[in-house]
Amino acid sequence: AQTVTQSQPEMSVQEAETVTLSCTYDTSESDYYLFWYKQPPSRQMILVIRQEAYKQQNATENRFSVNFQKAAKSFSLKISDSQLGDAAMYFCAWHTPLVFGKGTRLSVIA
Amino acid sequence: KAGVTQTPRYLIKTRGQQVTLSCSPISGHRSVSWYQQTPGQGLQFLFEYFSETQRNKGNFPGRFSGRQFSNSRSEMNVSTLELGDSALYLCASSPTTGSMNTEAFFGQGTRLTVV
Repeated sequence: AQTVTQSQPEMSVQEAETVTLSCTYDTSESDYYLFWYKQPPSRQMILVIRQEAYKQQNATENRFSVNFQKAAKSFSLKISDSQLGDAAMYFCAWHTPLVFGKGTRLSVIA
Repeated sequence: KAGVTQTPRYLIKTRGQQVTLSCSPISGHRSVSWYQQTPGQGLQFLFEYFSETQRNKGNFPGRFSGRQFSNSRSEMNVSTLELGDSALYLCASSPTTGSMNTEAFFGQGTRLTVV
């Protein structure tokens, strides 16, 4: 069975600074996708970024980028130029079906 | 295009009762998945339906069941409610199933409280 581990229950970052959220996973599959989802206080899960396991190039979406290390089964999320609106729970997930980590609560300090 | 709609948003039930939650996917989406979110266990996969057929099932007791209708709307049912069933139940829809690249679009969830 697939497992996803997020070792940082809480993180904080100063506005405009950069923060990295960690995620490791375990799977015997060779082809899969990894996702980062954001869940703000509204509870609406929002896809932040996705990574295809067979692609070595790290995915990037505006201020969000990942560091995907397939051999190490590591999938960290970097948020650059943090904004107050980035404050939320962030979930790392393996697909399919979606297997989520326990989440990291990110606080952004003005 | 309307998003994923879950009803009701909030629900309070008594132990031993049963409950039915509803999910209307994005128009054109044929896959619907359900997840349970609790502070202790986090987000856990319940089941996935595609074209009225259950395609995948998580590790939950038989008290948890679901179905999907021909219009892709889905319901999940929990019988003989226990206090531990109190959770946020999230529904997600996707255009297809089995495709790892398919983004899942989530509803805002149904907050179930069992007293």
